[in-house]
Order: sequence, then C-alpha cells, then structure tokens
Amino acid sequence: QQQVKQSPQSLIVQKGGISIINCAYENTAFDYFPWYQQFPGKGPALLIAIRPDVSEKKEGRFTISFNKSAKQFSLHIMDSQPGDSATYFCAASNTADSWGKLQFGAGTQVVVTP
Amino acid sequence: DTEVTQTPKHLVMGMTNKKSLKCEQHMGHRAMYWYKQKAKKPPELMFVYSYEKLSINESVPSRFSPECPNSSLLNLHLHALQPEDSALYLCASSPSGGANYGYTFGSGTRLTVV
Repeated sequence: QQQVKQSPQSLIVQKGGISIINCAYENTAFDYFPWYQQFPGKGPALLIAIRPDVSEKKEGRFTISFNKSAKQFSLHIMDSQPGDSATYFCAASNTADSWGKLQFGAGTQVVVTP
Repeated sequence: DTEVTQTPKHLVMGMTNKKSLKCEQHMGHRAMYWYKQKAKKPPELMFVYSYEKLSINESVPSRFSPECPNSSLLNLHLHALQPEDSALYLCASSPSGGANYGYTFGSGTRLTVV
C-alpha cells in the first residue's frame, strides 16, 4: 500500500508555463517532505524539502506548498524550462525514525516543450 | 567531495554468475542505503546500514547480500539472480540515520540479468 499518493503520472507543459505536481499522505507521523528530481540514467537528487511547521517554501523557481490539515503538499515549477524535463518524486518520512526511511510517491514525468 | 560513486555503471550477468556492486562516499556520512528502481517506478528500499551495521533488511531475497567494510564503502554481492532482478540499483548516504538530513544518491548501476 503506497503511503504517499502522487499525481499526475505525467505532465506536458510549454516553456515558461507552470508545472504543478500534487502529493497526499495518510500517516500523520510524517514530518519531513522532500522532493527529488531524477534525470534519465541518473540517481534522484534532492530538489527542495519542507517541514509541516511552514505552509510554503520557495527556492528559485521551485515552490512547495503544504496543507497540514488536508495532508497534502505540492510542487510548483514556475517559468518551466526544457532543462526541467525529468521525473519528480515526492517523498515523506518520520524524523523520529532513526533509520531515515523515505516513502516515495509513484513519480511524475514532466516534459517541457520548447 | 559531495558525491556518492557507484561502480560499475552497467552490468550484464548470467543467472549463475556472482558479481558485486560497489558504492563509495567520502562525505563522512554514517548511514548508507541500497535501493532498487525499476523503470518508471520510485526507488524501493532494500537495506540500511547505520554506523557500519545492518539496520534494516526490507525482506530482500538472500541472493542479494550487502556488506559494509568501513564507513566509506558499501557493497552489494549478487548471486543466482533472476531476470526480474534487472533494475537500476542505487546507493545513497546521509549524515546520520535520518532522512531529514538529506540523502545523496549515486548515479546507480544498471543491472541486466540474462
């Protein structure tokens, strides 16, 4: 049973547009929510992360919005560029878990057209 | 050095072969992980080593045998694999056993079992 549900499965956006990926979770013990970006043939790379004590975090063109009551969080990619074409995974973990186990969403393949 | 280095990058092996995957990091991280990733799927946790001791084995078949010779090295020994074991094998590390400290993933070993 997937503990983090991610949508959409794939996304096509024009250059300059906004890409939005949504994730939802059930386990209220989760308190750390990272997003990973993965290019073909590469390992995932940490893009941005948020904790539930803030509702929004922005780093450059990437913004995480977090809704604790709805148990949902989302990634917004502003001014999308062809170089942003990749697979994006949301994830969640319980920081009290000393082994650092991450629960990944199913992934979203983003294609940015020129 | 902020990298996790995995070798080899590609490996083709027969079902009767014995091979090993190697992972190395020099960031002083004390937690190291093996993940398996099938095409268009999220990474699945296999093993966690914390301070060179095996902390988590996610019910992985015994044909996969991890080893952590020292704090910088992690090996995955493979024996009698099946074609369905073909996947991208990712190594990751974190400063301690908490995902909230941020994982660093390697680029992976693309394994094909024939």
